[in-house]
Amino acid sequence: DAKTTQPPSMDCAEGRAANLPCNHSTISGNEYVYWYRQIHSQGPQYIIHGLKNNETNEMASLIITEDRKSSTLILPHATLRDTAVYYCIVRVDSDYKLSFGAGTTVTVRA
Amino acid sequence: GAGVSQSPSNKVTEKGKDVELRCDPISGHTALYWYRQSLGQGLEFLIYFQGNSAPDKSGLPSDRFSAERTGGSVSTLTIQRTQQEDSAVYLCASSYGGASLNEQYFGPGTRLTVT
Repeated sequence: DAKTTQPPSMDCAEGRAANLPCNHSTISGNEYVYWYRQIHSQGPQYIIHGLKNNETNEMASLIITEDRKSSTLILPHATLRDTAVYYCIVRVDSDYKLSFGAGTTVTVRA
Repeated sequence: GAGVSQSPSNKVTEKGKDVELRCDPISGHTALYWYRQSLGQGLEFLIYFQGNSAPDKSGLPSDRFSAERTGGSVSTLTIQRTQQEDSAVYLCASSYGGASLNEQYFGPGTRLTVT
């Protein structure tokens, strides 16, 4: 599986957009980019995933560069409840074994 | 509707004792997964059940770990002769039908502390 690199932490102002970067320079052509988050003392929560096109759902937007070597998760209007650890992973869509490392600790401040 | 539930929420046990952790998946979900999460290791896959198929046990770290899923619903993860390195949060997830990453719904976890 391709490895990902994320900054360890970032702060964001409430009501502003939060842009979370992820590098995955060794991604394979059939690997998707997935984003999860984990709020303190809760289990992981799926956010969004994509292959090469940009994606948007009710939670966030995912922007994938044309060469697919990096991506950005955008939380359009961050709230205090978005404070969590955010994980970027790459996987083929048939792989059900979720795993992630340190992620980015996002703190939304009032 | 009700989400994935796990019990107990916290468990403290002495080294060498056996523990059982329980997971109640979302009703109707045929797939069930166990993971563990520790500070040094991140999230690790342990085992996957899908319907009546043989489970994928490839993530179990040793033969002290086992899991059952009775009647295609509730699952129990058993750790025998616990060791301090077993201390972690044990997470259960479930999903409909075939396995996929984006459809796994997680429970709150059981925090296991081995003293």
